[in-house]
Amino acid sequence: DAKTTQPPSMDCAEGRAANLPCNHSTISGNEYVYWYRQIHSQGPQYIIHGLKNNETNEMASLIITEDRKSSTLILPHATLRDTAVYYCIVRLSAGNTPLVFGKGTRLSVIA
Amino acid sequence: GAVVSQHPSWVICKSGTSVKIECRSLDFQATTMFWYRQFPKQSLMLMATSNEGSKATYEQGVEKDKFLINHASLTLSTLTVTSAHPEDSSFYICSATADRRGNEQFFGPGTRLTVL
Repeated sequence: DAKTTQPPSMDCAEGRAANLPCNHSTISGNEYVYWYRQIHSQGPQYIIHGLKNNETNEMASLIITEDRKSSTLILPHATLRDTAVYYCIVRLSAGNTPLVFGKGTRLSVIA
Repeated sequence: GAVVSQHPSWVICKSGTSVKIECRSLDFQATTMFWYRQFPKQSLMLMATSNEGSKATYEQGVEKDKFLINHASLTLSTLTVTSAHPEDSSFYICSATADRRGNEQFFGPGTRLTVL
């Protein structure tokens, strides 16, 4: 079972920042927070992951609370191509453990 | 980045026939591959974990005799849906882990199976 809770849907105006929340209150100390997204009828795409420090890459920023019970994915300047289902996943990094997908958040970027 | 391909991208077959789906890691060796299934408007559901050279591990409720998985090399895993029925119609997605790239999983583009 997925160990995360996300809002089912969100809207964001094009060009504005999209902030996608995720609750993972039962996360253990050696579990990472991963974010993937799935554009309609495609395979999931890796976005970012982190353990406890905030992370940033060319796609997004990941903010993890100090107690690690929640996190926020930030797309700084959303475009129409960012419309997708975003999945927040808690997973052990060590070992070949599979990703267990929850229901995710359907982000709609509106012109 | 690492690339995973799937073939075919879509397939239509008659009920009772078998369909084989290939998953290939194009520029890295994948010791572990995963197979997922996704029904319309639902999330991805893990079907099985496939390790090169050994038998696949199936999730509870997935029939191993119906969904045959073979992982004969470090770059190829196949999923065969045997005696397919309309309820097997779904989007099948594979992913692969490259040890040298840590445990990031790379996903294929998916295969849409329609059983008439």
